[in-house]
Formats: sequence, C-alpha cells, structure tokens
Amino acid sequence: NAGVTQTPKFQVLKTGQSMTLQCAQDMNHEYMSWYRQDPGMGLRLIHYSVGAGITDQGEVPNGYNVSRSTTEDFPLRLLSAAPSQTSVYFCASSYGWASQYEQYFGPGTRLTVT
Amino acid sequence: AQKITQTQPGMFVQEKEAVTLDCTYDTSDPSYGLFWYKQPSSGEMIFLIYQGSYDQQNATEGRYSLNFQKARKSANLVISASQLGDSAMYFCAMRDVGGSSNTGKLIFGQGTTLQVKP
Repeated sequence: NAGVTQTPKFQVLKTGQSMTLQCAQDMNHEYMSWYRQDPGMGLRLIHYSVGAGITDQGEVPNGYNVSRSTTEDFPLRLLSAAPSQTSVYFCASSYGWASQYEQYFGPGTRLTVT
Repeated sequence: AQKITQTQPGMFVQEKEAVTLDCTYDTSDPSYGLFWYKQPSSGEMIFLIYQGSYDQQNATEGRYSLNFQKARKSANLVISASQLGDSAMYFCAMRDVGGSSNTGKLIFGQGTTLQVKP
C-alpha cells in the first residue's frame, strides 16, 4: 500500500493564481481531511469528508474548496491564492470518524504564495 | 469548544533519560480519543500512541506511555530512555465524537520541540 499520497511536494504560486493540491489514499478509508501547518500554530483543520459525496468545513475553510467524488481522492482547491495561504498542507485519512481511529498523514505539500 | 494545550514550546533531555511532555485538553463530550504524533525535521507526521476516554489503563507503546488523568483532563506523553532520534516536534491531538458534532475532527495542540542531548 502507498498509504496517503500528496502531489506536488513543493509549489510556488503568484497572488491570485488558483491550483489544486492532490490527495489520494489506497486504504479504503472513509474519512479524509486537510490541514495546514503554520509555524508555532500546530495543525489546523481546513475541510474534511466522512465519505464520498460528503464534505464539511473545519476551522479555517476560507479560500479553499474541496470535493469528494470517490473514496480514494480528496483534492483541495485554492481559488485565488494569497500570501496568507503560504503554509505546509497535510492530507490525512482514517478508517472511520470514531474516536479510536488514528489518522494517517501524507508527506505534505509546501506552498509558497508570492 | 474543544481545545488542546501544550504549554512547553521547547524541552531538552539528556540521552537515556526519561522525559514528560505535557498536554491538557478541554471537551464536554464523554467519548473522545487522545493521540500523540511525532514530527521529525523531515516533516512527516508519525503516530505514536492512542488513549480512549473510556480506557481504564494508561496506554503504552514500547518506550512511549501516556499518563492519562481524566479528572485533570491531562494526557502527558512519557518517553523513557531518550534517544538522539527522539529529537522532533511532538503534537498532542484529540478526536471527539460526542455531542452534536459527531464528525470526529482531530484538534491539535501547538506542539513541543524536544531536543535530546548526547
């Protein structure tokens, strides 16, 4: 199993550009989520999904869109990049949303917006 | 609202000694899970240990143990016999499924940077 994969690993965008961060998992996990990590702030939840066709907002959803058309894929779209979106983005998945299920994390995407 | 607090931004420990990383949490839900993750300088998030809110015994995984004090709402990570490879950032996180949310969101603390001295 590849686990959770993310592409690209690094990306530089200009302000106002849009792009999609890709996330895929091959563990048949129902629950997937996106986090951003900024220095000194831990990981903050952007959006999450409890299954194909179902998504919801986390703590910091503004400026981001998600969709979940398949169990495997959970792309994150930046609509109009801003310097405040410079961060490291992690995708994660778990078997379910019950409290005992650990989340498996992808390797992260380091995004810089200039 | 759910909250995780890690009050130690940075800690040092001598190699082969034990170290405790503090974590307190706040939730009104009776059912929740507590997790610790390690993030080395390479950046990946590595799951270390899990404790459920209804578990009677403290969780252990090799050199890692979780000192769970439910009444105090604390879930401290204890690393025994520290190794140089333990130098990393450590995050405490909580996942709750009670109450009206029922969505299993994982909430993270701000992290503690641990440096192991030879």
